[in-house]
Amino acid sequence: DVAMTQSPVYLPVTPGEPASISCRSSQSLLHSNGNTYLEWYLQKPGQSPQVLIYFASYRASGVPDRFSGSGSGTDFTLKISRVEAEDVGVYYCGQGVQSPRTFGQGTRVDFK
Amino acid sequence: QLQESGPGLVKPSETLSLTCTVSGGSIGGYHWGWIRQCPGGGLEYIGNIHSGGNTDYNPSLKSRVSISVDTSKNQFSLKLTSVTATDTALYYCARHQAAPSYYLDYWGQGALITVSS
Repeated sequence: DVAMTQSPVYLPVTPGEPASISCRSSQSLLHSNGNTYLEWYLQKPGQSPQVLIYFASYRASGVPDRFSGSGSGTDFTLKISRVEAEDVGVYYCGQGVQSPRTFGQGTRVDFK
Repeated sequence: QLQESGPGLVKPSETLSLTCTVSGGSIGGYHWGWIRQCPGGGLEYIGNIHSGGNTDYNPSLKSRVSISVDTSKNQFSLKLTSVTATDTALYYCARHQAAPSYYLDYWGQGALITVSS
């Protein structure tokens, strides 16, 4: 299986300030079709996960533009330009290049 | 919308059965998946089924998992046999976005399954 490792595990943030989460995969997530199958999900407290980013850098429909994804191969980053109150929760990276899909262990984002 | 349904309590060694009802759209043409979240919080992908019936299972669960689809009812189902306490989790059903992206774009609210005698 492709192992996904996130850092940090806990990220204290300040409203209005930027935040960044890293994700590393044990294998390249570049598919032969040219797409990179790295996704970011946010699980808000008491809710199901919701997709933020797919193909490493494409924002899903309805996702605010303060969220951005970058990276290639095995190293990826999710950035929030200015954290808002609704952004607290657990962020997961996930890969879809190889079956079975796997996810990182999660990064808890909360206000200081 | 997706909604999971099933018994909240399953006895050890028995079979866990869950159904996901899809509303507001057709089940046709998409892949549909099951994901579980153990008490520790991590997400584990169980497997998926295409509306046409093709399945793909996580090898770690493959010997115990079966996913089926009933397009007439707009439902798909999960069966997990010989359950143990380690199968206690919040079980989500979700839709895969169409090719080529396949990300999980719609999720159910989750069904808490406890394995206990």
